[in-house]
Amino acid sequence: AQSVTQPDIHITVSEGASLELRCNYSYGATPYLFWYVQSPGQGLQLLLKYFSGDTLVQGIKGFEAEFKRSQSSFNLRKPSVHWSDAAEYFCAVVLLGSGNTGKLIFGQGTTLQVKP
Amino acid sequence: EAGVTQFPSHSVIEKGQTVTLRCDPISGHDNLYWYRRVMGKEIKFLLHFVKESKQDESGMPNNRFLAERTGGTYSTLKVQPAELEDSGVYFCASSPTNKGRDEKLFFGSGTQLSVL
Repeated sequence: AQSVTQPDIHITVSEGASLELRCNYSYGATPYLFWYVQSPGQGLQLLLKYFSGDTLVQGIKGFEAEFKRSQSSFNLRKPSVHWSDAAEYFCAVVLLGSGNTGKLIFGQGTTLQVKP
Repeated sequence: EAGVTQFPSHSVIEKGQTVTLRCDPISGHDNLYWYRRVMGKEIKFLLHFVKESKQDESGMPNNRFLAERTGGTYSTLKVQPAELEDSGVYFCASSPTNKGRDEKLFFGSGTQLSVL
């Protein structure tokens, strides 16, 4: 069965430090991959997505993610974290075989805390 | 433009009671999805409407859950009778199209349901 794993439940970084959030997926083919962010009291917001082509994807708020087929990974990165980045981050894939591109499979989420 | 709106934001009920959650998608969005996050676990797909029709309800956990979208506008998700394990956050999302890579989901901020 398809699955998404975010190994880190909670991460704390200092403001201005770099960030990498890990995501691994289990899937038989190249999936559509997404990163979402949820700030307190807000809905999930799409940061970036990967469908095909360039494996380094740029998103909003200075985030980027790199698709690595050999590692089945889609890690999210940011070179310098801001206090406003404190939130919960979700990696997700689309179950392509269902023909329903809105049917996402999510990881368990990673909560990011930013120290001043 | 208003985003996806969910009512109520929080609901606390006793086991055995009935609760109805409401989702107002973005105007003009034919696709409406319900997702659920239970006990800090991963967010899971429940079902998908295209206009007023249920396109995919494979994620509905059991027959205590009933989703409707009369008229293809807002949707309701009723839980009757509620059980303890139904506690969690219920998210709604909408999209204007489900054309593969062009699909973009807009999420509401969720309804936090607590069953005591």
